[in-house]
Amino acid sequence: QSVLTQPPSASGTPGQRVTISCSGSSSNIGSNYVYWYQQLPGTAPKLLIYRNNQRPSGVPDRFSGSKSGTSASLAISGLRSEDEADYYCAAWDDSLSVVVFGGGTKLTVL
Amino acid sequence: QVQLQESGPGLVKPSQTLSLTCTVSGGSISSGGYYWSWIRQHPGKGLEWIGYIYYSGSTYYNPSLKSRVTISVDTSKNQFSLKLSSVTAADTAVYYCARATNPDWFDPWGQGTLVTVSS
Repeated sequence: QSVLTQPPSASGTPGQRVTISCSGSSSNIGSNYVYWYQQLPGTAPKLLIYRNNQRPSGVPDRFSGSKSGTSASLAISGLRSEDEADYYCAAWDDSLSVVVFGGGTKLTVL
Repeated sequence: QVQLQESGPGLVKPSQTLSLTCTVSGGSISSGGYYWSWIRQHPGKGLEWIGYIYYSGSTYYNPSLKSRVTISVDTSKNQFSLKLSSVTAADTAVYYCARATNPDWFDPWGQGTLVTVSS
């Protein structure tokens, strides 16, 4: 069982906007930055969002992150077929003294 | 740009030690500022952070694995390594090396290598 909680699946049609939630606690999301990773099928995870809402260079502005209290969200607008992937949230946990990950959300583009 | 590549045996027998090496190219481990990390992903499951090493040799391990993990660095070869002792089937996973900043975020990642623990 993951420390950060994500829905196991999400879906949308091309062009739609989808959001993926990530729920934690005061010791992780509540007091530290949240990061999001995209894992395309058969590949390594790739940093998508850092420090809650910052995009690395090369990541389209269709991807955005937000945080409120002990929860965070990843939003993908203008959904495209190539966005079909697993998405993971992550944060440092002050109580466990480790980086903790969510269980991942499999995004399907219908 | 910095690239990382894992290497090592894909099959390890139970009770033995898993050994992997990550070779860094396009940047120097010795330049500092980053933490060189290992992360694993059990088949079909989520991600688990194993630990990291700084170029100076300082290490930090996931408490749940600390008793079995050793991460070392060879700056002359621009490599860092993972050793996980007394492995069981539960250690079967894809092992990734990654560069960490702060050190709570990982970018970039290696392509990953599957290690199977089986007799």
